[in-house]
Amino acid sequence: DIQMTQAASFVSASVGDRVDITCRASQGISNGVAWYQQIPGKAPRLLIYRTSHLQGGVPSRFSGSGSETDFTLTISSLQAEDYATYFCLQVNSFPYTFGQGTKLQIK
Amino acid sequence: QVQLQESGPGLVEPSQTLSLTCTVSGDSISSIAHYWSWFRQHPGKGLEWIGYIYYGGSTFYNPSLKSRVTISLDTSQNHFSLRLTSVTAADTAVYYCAREPAKPGQPPDYWGQGTLVTVSS
Repeated sequence: DIQMTQAASFVSASVGDRVDITCRASQGISNGVAWYQQIPGKAPRLLIYRTSHLQGGVPSRFSGSGSETDFTLTISSLQAEDYATYFCLQVNSFPYTFGQGTKLQIK
Repeated sequence: QVQLQESGPGLVEPSQTLSLTCTVSGDSISSIAHYWSWFRQHPGKGLEWIGYIYYGGSTFYNPSLKSRVTISLDTSQNHFSLRLTSVTAADTAVYYCAREPAKPGQPPDYWGQGTLVTVSS
């Protein structure tokens, strides 16, 4: 199985900051990465698919980049409603696998 | 608006069968455009893909769970179901259902809120 590693379990940042959350795959997965936002008690929300495509309705301050093994979710200017857990998902090969998640906290 | 809602017992005894249903609104599970998936998240851990079903009943499961998992469709009720047999404490998790576009590289786009299932006597 492909291992997806989010090195940072926690990231602290202030409103207005630029935030980068990274995810590394154990082998090349082309552009088959998605990013989700998870708030406790709510359904995971798809933000980015195919590495860099913004899901409809998601604010443009969210963006994704990377290829093969290294991927980044960027929030260009953090808003209060962005404090949540973010996780990556690879859909390049079965079984799908997830990163462990990065919790974005108020600094 | 597409919505998914999981339902089922919150407590299952060890060695018994876990059964959950996902009711879909705003879309038809008979659609050829989507797969219908199950995931789970152990307490404090990352998510795990369980498997999916496609219209007509084709299924694909995570090899780690394949021997114990069955996913089925009920088109008359527009819901799909998960059965996991011979459960242990290691199956305690929040279980999510999701819709996934049937296109290569497309991840699940709509999810349920999740339901906690605890395996305990």
